Amino acid sequence: SQELEQSPQSLIVQEGKNLTINCTSSKTLYGLYWYKQKYGEGLIFLMMLQKGGEEKSHEKITAKLDEKKQQSSLHITASQPSHAGIYLCGAAGGGSQGNLIFGKGTKLSVKP
Amino acid sequence: EPEVTQTPSHQVTQMGQEVILRCVPISNHLYFYWYRQILGQKVEFLVSFYNNEISEKSEIFDDQFSVERPDGSNFTLKIRSTKLEDSAMYFCASILGRARDNSPLHFGNGTRLTVT
Repeated sequence: SQELEQSPQSLIVQEGKNLTINCTSSKTLYGLYWYKQKYGEGLIFLMMLQKGGEEKSHEKITAKLDEKKQQSSLHITASQPSHAGIYLCGAAGGGSQGNLIFGKGTKLSVKP
Repeated sequence: EPEVTQTPSHQVTQMGQEVILRCVPISNHLYFYWYRQILGQKVEFLVSFYNNEISEKSEIFDDQFSVERPDGSNFTLKIRSTKLEDSAMYFCASILGRARDNSPLHFGNGTRLTVT
């Protein structure tokens, strides 16, 4: 079965610094999703990547999917306290229709 | 922006009791899901529901669990006889089309279930 490994598990950065979170899949990715979760709350959709080499940006967050479609990175530029939370990568599982497999998440703290 | 709404936000129940978790998916969405997240662990798929029937379920979704869409708006998850290990955050999600068709899953804020 497919596994998603995220690194690092947690990250503390100073406000204004850049950071990168990685997500590595044990199998080829046919759809890679990035979500953000605040403690005790739901998952907020950030971005979806499908094609090898694809890159998408939203405000200060950029996500890439590598050419081999087995690794994705999420990069935050000039981090702010509002970026704090848990970032989850999810992949379309072997099943269908929104059956997503998630990584364990990366907990990001931003120090003002 | 339309949202998936879940009630209650927190449910405490005694072991062996039945619980029903409620969700109102986004109105024009066609596929509905339940996921759960045990504290400190991954978000895990439980079940998907389409056209008034279960389309897929995980190993977690055993005979103690059932789902229903009793009317045109609500989507419920029932746990017949709760166990301590059912304590988790339960997320409802909905999608317009299939995940591979460019539609992302939209999640609710979850119901925290505590079984004592």
